[in-house]
Amino acid sequence: GQQLNQSPQSMFIQEGEDVSMNCTSSSIFNTWLWYKQDPGEGPVLLIALYKAGELTSNGRLTAQFGITRKDSFLNISASIPSDVGIYFCAGQLVRSGGGNKLTFGTGTQLKVEL
Amino acid sequence: GAVVSQHPSRVICKSGTSVKIECRSLDFQATTMFWYRQFPKQSLMLMATSNEGSKATYEQGVEKDKFLINHASLTLSTLTVTSAHPEDSSFYICSARDGRGVENTQYFGPGTRLTVL
Repeated sequence: GQQLNQSPQSMFIQEGEDVSMNCTSSSIFNTWLWYKQDPGEGPVLLIALYKAGELTSNGRLTAQFGITRKDSFLNISASIPSDVGIYFCAGQLVRSGGGNKLTFGTGTQLKVEL
Repeated sequence: GAVVSQHPSRVICKSGTSVKIECRSLDFQATTMFWYRQFPKQSLMLMATSNEGSKATYEQGVEKDKFLINHASLTLSTLTVTSAHPEDSSFYICSARDGRGVENTQYFGPGTRLTVL
């Protein structure tokens, strides 16, 4: 199945640093979502974006829905050890007829050094 | 947010046996549930979309006779891996769509780790 390109694949940063990751697609989505997955757990929704150009924050997290509707980025400010995990973007094409499948990105592994 | 549970969280079985995994939406009704498979260090891959009261829609390459899906109620979907083999060992995750809002948000279960010996 299709996957979205997510970069970087992994990051090893110092505590307190800001983090930026992005996600690109060859096709358009009308919803972009960012999830975090801890080892052995299911993904947890961090931020949802519903409109092109939208910029949304959730605490130290900020995400934007690209104008072209083919990309999105996630920023984490002042990283802390519990930010460790795998971050996935997901695109969704919400249609009135149903479906509404999520297409996931390849993931960004974040490791934080104390 | 809404809560989705999965049972069991972990299962080990012998090759050739069948395994049933349950996915429940605990505080909302889910007309649509989704089943994903995730191999180590990889992303989530959608296997099938489960609609309450109708047949599941399988993604290309997923065998419907091997991965039986039943969505008998608005809060429960089951995935049965029939005649499991070692290559079926994976992390299986379900999600449920909360249709109460306009956003069609999907909430994920905690996953089921299947190991086939």
